[in-house]
Amino acid sequence: QVHLVQSGAEVKKPGSSVKVSCKASGDTFRSYAVSWVRQAPGQGLEWMGEVLPLYGTSNYAQKFQGRVTMTADRSTTTAYMELSSLTSDDTAMYYCARESIASGVPNWFDPWGQGTLVTVSS
Amino acid sequence: DIQMTQSPTTLSASVGDRVTITCRASRYISNYLNWYQQKVGQAPKLLIQAASTLQSGVPSRFSGSGSGTDFTLTISNLQPEDFATYYCQQSYITSWTFGHGSKVELK
Repeated sequence: QVHLVQSGAEVKKPGSSVKVSCKASGDTFRSYAVSWVRQAPGQGLEWMGEVLPLYGTSNYAQKFQGRVTMTADRSTTTAYMELSSLTSDDTAMYYCARESIASGVPNWFDPWGQGTLVTVSS
Repeated sequence: DIQMTQSPTTLSASVGDRVTITCRASRYISNYLNWYQQKVGQAPKLLIQAASTLQSGVPSRFSGSGSGTDFTLTISNLQPEDFATYYCQQSYITSWTFGHGSKVELK
């Protein structure tokens, strides 16, 4: 059974960067993607992008293009999400989730990591 | 991006009720629609994928239907553990997008 464990909470200054990790146990990353979804306090879910460890490629939501980098290390089954030029609007819970990528069927997210709270404050 | 519109935003119900949440896509998405449940302080959990396929371990009181642009999530015989927020999500065209959520609260 796959289990995703994320790194701990972060407090960052405006203008800085944050890097969140997501380690998968019980999975080789071989046939899945890892998506990152964030949730601002009291708000809904926002997809940020995905990394495909098998191919070493990433796709990002347009909103985050140029500011986010998603990578994965297959040897340690760990995915990373780095977000730069942080502002207070980036204060949110950040989740990683395993994303199914089977051909011809909808992609879905399961399971999810426990979340990493990123607080941006001066 | 495809916009996902959920209704209602908040739904007040009692244990034992049958509740229905709707999700409408701004364009055709076939059955590329998933439903998630999120309880307070927890990560979302996948309930239904491909509009109507119940994820393993999810109680059968949950069901999903729809295709094209209009979808529904139904919870029959609402249980205390079902009070939560529910999100739909399309995976037809990237960027994947979520609805804004429907909160099921105790009446």
